[in-house]
Amino acid sequence: AQTVTQSQPEMSVQEAETVTLSCTYDTSESDYYLFWYKQPPSRQMILVIRQEAYKQQNATENRFSVNFQKAAKSFSLKISDSQLGDAAMYFCAYRSAPGGASNYQLIWGAGTKLIIKP
Amino acid sequence: GAGVSQSPRYKVAKRGQDVALRCDPISGHVSLFWYQQALGQGPEFLTYFQNEAQLDKSGLPSDRFFAERPEGSVSTLKIQRTQQEDSAVYLCASSLDRAHQPQHFGDGTRLSIL
Repeated sequence: AQTVTQSQPEMSVQEAETVTLSCTYDTSESDYYLFWYKQPPSRQMILVIRQEAYKQQNATENRFSVNFQKAAKSFSLKISDSQLGDAAMYFCAYRSAPGGASNYQLIWGAGTKLIIKP
Repeated sequence: GAGVSQSPRYKVAKRGQDVALRCDPISGHVSLFWYQQALGQGPEFLTYFQNEAQLDKSGLPSDRFFAERPEGSVSTLKIQRTQQEDSAVYLCASSLDRAHQPQHFGDGTRLSIL
């Protein structure tokens, strides 16, 4: 079975600085998707960034980028120029590619609470 | 609508009561998912619909939990004879299909069982 681990319950960063959130996962599958979701106090899960495992190039969305290390099964999120609005819970999630063991449900980590210091 | 809509936003019930949680997905979205998120934890999969067909209910914790999507649009998650351990946020998500499209989430329903 696939598992996702986020070992940092809480992280804090000064506004305008850079922070990296860690995520590791375990799978025997070769093709899958990885996601970072943000959950502010409003509770709505918002997709931040997505990575297809078959792509070697790391995904980037504006100030958000990932460091995807497939062999190490690591998928960290880097937030540059942190803003107050980035404060939230961040969840790493895994989904199998079509035909895989869990090709529709998301498997989630426990989350990292990100605090932005003004 | 523009996004996934869930109601009610908050629900308080006494232990033993039945509750019903509603999810209205994005128009045209084929796939619909329910997740349960306990306090301080990540969500856990409950069940999945493709149109009106419930293709996977392996995550439902007990036979007190029941979900339906009779016309392939709005879905209802029903919990019978609620217990304190049912207290959680229930998240609904929808996607265009199950294969490649990302899941879009509603704001969730926070259920508190007294």
